[in-house]
Amino acid sequence: QLTQSPSSLSASLGDSVTITCRASEDIGRSLAWYQQKPGKAPKLLMSSASTVQSGVPSRFSGGGSGTDFTLTISSLQPEDFATYHCQQVKSYPLSFGGGTKVEIK
Amino acid sequence: QLQLQQSGPQLVKPSETLSLTCTVSGDSITGNDDYWGWIRQPPGKGLEWIASIYYRGNSFYTPSLKSRVLITIDAARAQFYLNLTSVTAADTAIYYCARGGFWRGYYFDYWGQGALVTVSS
Repeated sequence: QLTQSPSSLSASLGDSVTITCRASEDIGRSLAWYQQKPGKAPKLLMSSASTVQSGVPSRFSGGGSGTDFTLTISSLQPEDFATYHCQQVKSYPLSFGGGTKVEIK
Repeated sequence: QLQLQQSGPQLVKPSETLSLTCTVSGDSITGNDDYWGWIRQPPGKGLEWIASIYYRGNSFYTPSLKSRVLITIDAARAQFYLNLTSVTAADTAIYYCARGGFWRGYYFDYWGQGALVTVSS
């Protein structure tokens, strides 16, 4: 089980925001983060908790291990307003968090 | 560039079977480290992993749907499939197919475009 918080947040351009994902058991660093825009499929941002995928801007960073993980977006840009999902990738059955919607204040 | 193209009906009647196809192009479906999966997302809600399969047929299922779901693969056609039986309104969702890994990690790096399937009479 993965619990994301908050479920939604409002922020301004240029703000830094942090999203949290908590696992119900120790998953090491086996966590992925996705970004999803309305009407689109999720896009992989990060694997292994903090490994940024090719092409993802450096303002995205991930951290944590064990049960507590974070996704931080520094200096929010217009294209960053989206929903973010975490996924445990340690073992089957796979599971996702409930998602965090980042909206413009 | 790997591409996944989904196809299947947009409307399914309650108690019937939902059947979806995902066609893989731009790379082989028989990659040694590739698992092929289905994920769904009810309107306005979060993502739910359904099942994943390897080209040799090894498969995994989410426990809550295991009794109603079958994932299969046809490597020669570069396609994999989802069958979900005895559907109800609760199965209304956007269904995605995606490529996952095994040794590199179970995350999904390529996704299909998604298809809204509505269960209604």
